Amino acid sequence: QKEVEQDPGPLSVPEGAIVSLNCTYSNSAFQYFMWYRQYSRKGPELLMYTYSSGNKEDGRFTAQVDKSSKYISLFIRDSQPSDSATYLCAMSPLWGGAQKLVFGQGTRLTINP
Amino acid sequence: KAGVTQTPRYLIKTRGQQVTLSCSPISGHRSVSWYQQTPGQGLQFLFEYFSETQRNKGNFPGRFSGRQFSNSRSEMNVSTLELGDSALYLCASSSGNVGQDTQYFGPGTRLTVL
Repeated sequence: QKEVEQDPGPLSVPEGAIVSLNCTYSNSAFQYFMWYRQYSRKGPELLMYTYSSGNKEDGRFTAQVDKSSKYISLFIRDSQPSDSATYLCAMSPLWGGAQKLVFGQGTRLTINP
Repeated sequence: KAGVTQTPRYLIKTRGQQVTLSCSPISGHRSVSWYQQTPGQGLQFLFEYFSETQRNKGNFPGRFSGRQFSNSRSEMNVSTLELGDSALYLCASSSGNVGQDTQYFGPGTRLTVL
């Protein structure tokens, strides 16, 4: 069993819809939770990070972490075609230092105009 | 500020050969991490270098090795290539300090093993 599970999709939604992306994990040592976005032929770019449980909002993006359920989510409001990409969750027991990120499989998202 | 650069961007090799990939981190960053990305396994951590020392290592065979130079540039070497080594190899740079430390990824090197 993988440490981090993420539904690879693909997920296709109409423009303007609310998108929900999720990951589950098994390692209770994870303290830092990140969402990366990866466009085709590009490297991943960090969208958001959260520490421990709670919510964090940044514009149209909201990240949620529920450590008791070992479940994290990323919500995208008012989705745009430019949001079409692969979204990867990543986790680590550390932030910085000898950091080793453990990634989910990635969910391929398409926003249809 | 220039981003992370990786060379070459594309590479085709045959089984049994060896390959060396290069990564130049963002100026001032001292940590370089390497990841392998495949459709089946996703992104998997290979190793991390900081100030020319390997600080962390993933679960890959010894055929995968790396090094870091005094200017923080890093190279990754794969010997005796196998078909399963075909992947996108990504490097990420960061300050390497504990605390607020984002990893910035390069565009990757696409390796195809025939």
